Amino acid sequence: EVQLVESGGGLEQPGRSLRLSCAASGFTLNNYVMHWVRQAPGMGLEWVSSIRWNNGATVYADSVKGRFTISRDNAKNSLYLQMNSLRAEDTALYYCAKDKAGSGSSGFDIWGQGTMVTVSS
Amino acid sequence: DIQMTQSPSTLSASVGDRVTITCRASQSVSSWLAWYQQKPGKAPKLLIYKASNLESGVPSRFSGSGSGTEFTLTVSSLQPDDFATYYCQQYNSYPFTFGPGTKVDIK
Repeated sequence: EVQLVESGGGLEQPGRSLRLSCAASGFTLNNYVMHWVRQAPGMGLEWVSSIRWNNGATVYADSVKGRFTISRDNAKNSLYLQMNSLRAEDTALYYCAKDKAGSGSSGFDIWGQGTMVTVSS
Repeated sequence: DIQMTQSPSTLSASVGDRVTITCRASQSVSSWLAWYQQKPGKAPKLLIYKASNLESGVPSRFSGSGSGTEFTLTVSSLQPDDFATYYCQQYNSYPFTFGPGTKVDIK
């Protein structure tokens, strides 16, 4: 079964760091573009970051650029999001998502269940 | 950045109704547009990609059309399982952007 399982969320203070993980099963993560998408409580979806399979190129939303880093570990078939200098506005449910495409994009066809990040003092 | 808008924001409908949701982009996204369905407490589910392509396993009562800046998602005969929030998303260029969502509820 094709599946994504996120972990690593929790309650953290402003200015601190968290590392989210996303374990893939049923497919080889390295063959696809992978994404992080977040959803603040009661709000819509916000794309956060993407990593391309072929060259590992990364892209970020302006709201997280310079603070978040997306990466992958091919041996562990896992995706990560290192979140530094956390802000209250980063509070959201974070989803990892698989793209249908290996390059470019064709829509996000597999999503994890999400991991909640709460930033509060 | 490309801004996405959706109308209506909320839609009240009955089982069996034909339902249409409109999504507009602030500039052309060609056909690089997807539609997702999200139910409370669940992850989004891909319904349509490349504006009009039905994702595998999605019922044929869902269809998408449009190109450039105006797109529609149509449900030909609304079923009880279809009451949810629907989002469009452009993936023509980064940053990928989602519409604000259309909530379809029971009339």
